[in-house]
Formats: sequence, C-alpha cells, structure tokens
Amino acid sequence: QKEVEQNSGPLSVPEGAIASLNCTYSDRGSQSFFWYRQYSGKSPELIMFIYSNGDKEDGRFTAQLNKASQYVSLLIRDSQPSDSATYLCAVLTSGTYKYIFGTGTRLKVLA
Amino acid sequence: DAMVIQNPRYQVTQFGKPVTLSCSQTLNHNVMYWYQQKSSQAPKLLFHYYDKDFNNEADTPDNFQSRRPNTSFCFLDIRSPGLGDAAMYLCATSRDPAGGYTFGSGTRLTVV
Repeated sequence: QKEVEQNSGPLSVPEGAIASLNCTYSDRGSQSFFWYRQYSGKSPELIMFIYSNGDKEDGRFTAQLNKASQYVSLLIRDSQPSDSATYLCAVLTSGTYKYIFGTGTRLKVLA
Repeated sequence: DAMVIQNPRYQVTQFGKPVTLSCSQTLNHNVMYWYQQKSSQAPKLLFHYYDKDFNNEADTPDNFQSRRPNTSFCFLDIRSPGLGDAAMYLCATSRDPAGGYTFGSGTRLTVV
C-alpha cells in the first residue's frame, strides 16, 4: 500500500515566522511531488511542485525534496494570517498517473 | 478566464434518490478526475479520464458512475445515495497525467 504521511496539526506559528510543513512517502519510485493549499470549505489550489532533489523557491514558498530519505517539505517565509489553511502533499506514484494525497497539515498563523 | 466549473455548488438529495454532479472546463485539458473528500480526510480518487479512456478505481463503489460526453464536460452520477456518500466532490483537470491539477470549486453533497 503506497502511502503519503503528514502530521495533521494544527501547526501554529506567529505572524512573520517561517512555517515548516513535512511530508513522507513510501513509494521510492515516485518522481513528482505537489503541494496544494486548501482553505476551509474550499477546493485545493496548487501552490508548488518539485521533481528534482534540492530546493525550489517561488516567492515566500520553498519546496524541498530529498528522495533518498523520501520526504518533501514546504517552507513558508514571513507567514501571514491569510496562509492559515490545510496544506496537502500529493505524490505521483510510480508506474501510474495517479496522485496519492496526504491527509493534510492544518496551519494556523497567529496575528 | 480559463477555469474548471462545478455545478451545483451545494446539493441536497434524499436517501436513495439519484443525483448528478457536473463539471465543465475551458482549459482544454486532456485529463479529468473526480475525487471524493470527507471532512479532515485526503481526497479520494473515484474515476479519471485520459481523453475518452475511462479509468475506474478498484474501490469505487458501483453506486458511482461517470460520463464524459466531450472534452469539456464530465458528470458524476450517484445512483442511490446513502448517508455515507455525503462529502465534497471535487473535479480536477490536468494537461497531462503527470502534471499538476486545477480543481473546480467543488460540490458539497448532503444526503437527508
């Protein structure tokens, strides 16, 4: 059973701090990794994707991938109250074109 | 703006009464997906289409069916909704199966 694990949270950080969200996956052959943000009662929105080991930066967001350790993380710098949401990690499984989603980490940014 | 549109936004149906949810896209994406998401859970894939090729997940109940009459539209039919089918139903599209998704706004289904 291929799995994607996330800490459900809530992760509480003060405004302006760095929020660090982590995700581990079981399928060593996975190649593509995505982070989605989901506000309460809304649908997920793609915010970052990463395919290669290392860091990928986009504005205040940085995705980090370590395939050897099978984890992917999302850093949010200068966290804002508007970043308060659930962050879903999604992994494209090897040999298929299907995502496996984690259950998400709920982030609360405190003003 | 190109987008994925789901209708209705909220649907209330009676136990056992068939219901159809719709999804349309103006992105001209080849792949369309239907997900079911219950509170505090991960989205669960029900079906996906790659062009007209239909793919049914092994654990999708027979009560759920889908149609894709053309590139732009996709429907989810629930033949006899039960209380356990109450959830948010998400339609998503992608240009290719390995790409990121664009989600519609979702349909929240309530079964009474």
